[in-house]
Amino acid sequence: KAGVTQTPRYLIKTRGQQVTLSCSPISGHRSVSWYQQTPGQGLQFLFEYFSETQRNKGNFPGRFSGRQFSNSRSEMNVSTLELGDSALYLCASRNPDEAFFGQGTRLTVV
Amino acid sequence: KQEVTQIPAALSVPEGENLVLNCSFTDSAIYNLQWFRQDPGKGLTSLLLIQSSQREQTSGRLNASLDKSSGRSTLYIAASQPGDSATYLCAVGGNTDKLIFGTGTRLQVFP
Repeated sequence: KAGVTQTPRYLIKTRGQQVTLSCSPISGHRSVSWYQQTPGQGLQFLFEYFSETQRNKGNFPGRFSGRQFSNSRSEMNVSTLELGDSALYLCASRNPDEAFFGQGTRLTVV
Repeated sequence: KQEVTQIPAALSVPEGENLVLNCSFTDSAIYNLQWFRQDPGKGLTSLLLIQSSQREQTSGRLNASLDKSSGRSTLYIAASQPGDSATYLCAVGGNTDKLIFGTGTRLQVFP
């Protein structure tokens, strides 16, 4: 059974650009959550989707958005990138109680 | 607001030692608690999940306990090995799917 797959693994973007990250959950899992991990703030919750609906949202600006498709795959988008958006972005799917994480996307904003 | 604290922040031990990692949370109204391992630059690997109605869970050399009333969980690692070197994170789940993470304990096991 394949795990949570995140693409791409690494990204380098310029300030002001936008970026889209993708997450494919474990087959059969309908809940997908996104987290941002930085050395200073640790792991912080971004948002959570279930059956194409956003059920919960963390304390991030509106530049951070996401969506979920009918096959449970999810994307998150960050517009007008800032240097402080440089982080490891992690996606998790649930079964429904245990969370399983992908390898993350390392975003560097220059 | 739930806050999760992990002590110690870092730990260095010789191979073979038994060790305990601590996780504290401020709001006892939790749904579950999960322990993860993270290797440098990688994602999180789930180690153990404890439901709020459980007292402990075991997997191989790992044992996690939960005391909701005191807001504490411990992860016990028996007979530590160099391959156990990683950052260990605890995360508390409430009545939503949001996990609140501790800051982690960085463990180094030297031969």
